[in-house]
Amino acid sequence: GQQLNQSPQSMFIQEGEDVSMNCTSSSIFNTWLWYKQDPGEGPVLLIALYKAGELTSNGRLTAQFGITRKDSFLNISASIPSDVGIYFCAGRPSNNNAGNMLTFGGGTRLMVKP
Amino acid sequence: DAGITQSPRHKVTETGTPVTLRCHQTENHRYMYWYRQDPGHGLRLIHYSYGVKDTDKGEVSDGYSVSRSKTEDFLLTLESATSSQTSVYFCAISDPVKSSGKYNEQFFGPGTRLTVL
Repeated sequence: GQQLNQSPQSMFIQEGEDVSMNCTSSSIFNTWLWYKQDPGEGPVLLIALYKAGELTSNGRLTAQFGITRKDSFLNISASIPSDVGIYFCAGRPSNNNAGNMLTFGGGTRLMVKP
Repeated sequence: DAGITQSPRHKVTETGTPVTLRCHQTENHRYMYWYRQDPGHGLRLIHYSYGVKDTDKGEVSDGYSVSRSKTEDFLLTLESATSSQTSVYFCAISDPVKSSGKYNEQFFGPGTRLTVL
């Protein structure tokens, strides 16, 4: 099936640093979503984007729906220890999608610098 | 009210035994999904349901079956568990109808960790 390329796969953060991650696709999407997963829990929706060019914030998190509709970016400003976890991007294809299905990226694992 | 629960949360079983995982929702959402999560593979869709008794295969459906006899419950069955089915299984729900101006995007349960020995 179609794949979302999410990068980086993992990164270390130091408290106070800004973090950036992105997702790219070879296909067009009409919705981009960003989820965060804490250890031992299910993913939780952070931000939803529905229009090309849309920029949406949720506290220190900001995400953008790329103009080409084939990519999305998530930025975290002034990171704190509780930001660690796995971040997933997900896209909803623009073609007919009877099951309201999403395609997920492989995830970006945020860890704290030792 | 958690909105979506999964049972059991942890299970250890032996190769060749049948296993059923249950997903229960109280949100009256139309769509329900089963995913598995494995290192290096992210979330992969096993099966989904778009209504009572309406189900379809996802990306990795081999070895799995599902049933949905009522809106709130979606069962995932491994007829004869294999070691390759050791994974964390997540259920999710969604609904295409907007509520409070927002779409009901996929909302995940807490997961079931399954180990097949």
